[in-house]
Amino acid sequence: QQPVQSPQAVILREGEDAVINCSSSKALYSVHWYRQKHGEAPVFLMILLKGGEQKGHEKISASFNEKKQQSSLYLTASQLSYSGTYFCGTEMENNDMRFGAGTRLTVKP
Amino acid sequence: ETGVTQSPTHLIKTRGQQVTLRCSSQSGHNTVSWYQQALGQGPQFIFQYYREEENGRGNFPPRFSGLQFPNYSSELNVNALELDDSALYLCASSKDRDYGYTFGSGTRLTVV
Repeated sequence: QQPVQSPQAVILREGEDAVINCSSSKALYSVHWYRQKHGEAPVFLMILLKGGEQKGHEKISASFNEKKQQSSLYLTASQLSYSGTYFCGTEMENNDMRFGAGTRLTVKP
Repeated sequence: ETGVTQSPTHLIKTRGQQVTLRCSSQSGHNTVSWYQQALGQGPQFIFQYYREEENGRGNFPPRFSGLQFPNYSSELNVNALELDDSALYLCASSKDRDYGYTFGSGTRLTVV
């Protein structure tokens, strides 16, 4: 029951925008978003809870459609530092957390 | 904040052996989860502990077991190591499930 992420990879120029999508077939308690740079630990970006509450970095924007069990991460005015692999994690009521395969984002000057 | 610390950073073991990986979480982080990450893939959920009790488990066999201690440290034990157990093992902690996780840098386990 791994969530499905799309796209698998995206290349941007600095200043461009991107949307990364995450879809689950299971009813979710929450959706998490993390960014992982090569050789480093995943870094927390955002958590979206059922019921509408969101917690995360001010500059990060995301949405969670509870009816469709879909979430999207919005990256605007991208910077070189945004490069990395983005993972969504979907947590069910029973604390079972599953991560998607990741979306590799490359931002070029 | 002291972050999440994992030890050792790298480890080589022989098939059939047993291994213990350690994690030290931030003070106040009552929830700790362990993940296995193969190269180029997302983390795979092994199990989660809350206040020293296991309260969630992924699709891993019983030879993967864990402990959480009152001092916010935890262990992942793997018995009868197999070659496919070679991976990066990540520990992540949180105040509770309504907050995001802080990940450690991981332990790279190689089974030969």
